[in-house]
Amino acid sequence: SQKIEQNSEALNIQEGKTATLTCNYTNYSPAYLQWYRQDPGRGPVFLLLIRENEKEKRKERLKVTFDTTLKQSLFHITASQPADSATYLCARPSNDYKLSFGAGTTVTVRA
Amino acid sequence: DGGITQSPKYLFRKEGQNVTLSCEQNLNHDAMYWYRQDPGQGLRLIYYSQIVNDFQKGDIAEGYSVSREKKESFPLTVTSAQKNPTAFYLCASTGTSAYNEQFFGPGTRLTVL
Repeated sequence: SQKIEQNSEALNIQEGKTATLTCNYTNYSPAYLQWYRQDPGRGPVFLLLIRENEKEKRKERLKVTFDTTLKQSLFHITASQPADSATYLCARPSNDYKLSFGAGTTVTVRA
Repeated sequence: DGGITQSPKYLFRKEGQNVTLSCEQNLNHDAMYWYRQDPGQGLRLIYYSQIVNDFQKGDIAEGYSVSREKKESFPLTVTSAQKNPTAFYLCASTGTSAYNEQFFGPGTRLTVL
């Protein structure tokens, strides 16, 4: 199966700093990776997608990178705010119509 | 407002009972999914359906059943054969995007008493 791992369960940072989350995958490189945000007791919400031929993607204060050599994606939240506190999930396609999700990294931003 | 609804939000079940979780979408999406989420684990796929009247088992289908009689609806039944059903259940759908961006419902938390 196509494994995907987020190597940090929790990340605590000070407001204004940059949070960096890691997502590692095994086996072949996927055509794309996705990142979702999940608040407690709610369903995940899609944030960003990065394709294998893209090195970097940005959306407001979010930045995602994709390194097929390292088999890794990094997710950055710049100028973090307490409202960014949530669990962030990465996902990769496992075959048509299916995604494999990582366990998530819970980010807590302290004011 | 387009979206996915799940009901109920909280559900309590006695051991040995079957329960059905509802999932409805008005996004006109063809594909729908059921996931289970346990603390510290990623979303695990239970069943998915790419089209009406067709569905496939995911990674942890044992003890669950589904139906897809209408495009908008994909109910999940948790049967008494499911050994450890207490979990957070999420329904999702996806449209025609080649990149399979999934839209999730708010979830149902099932607790076995």
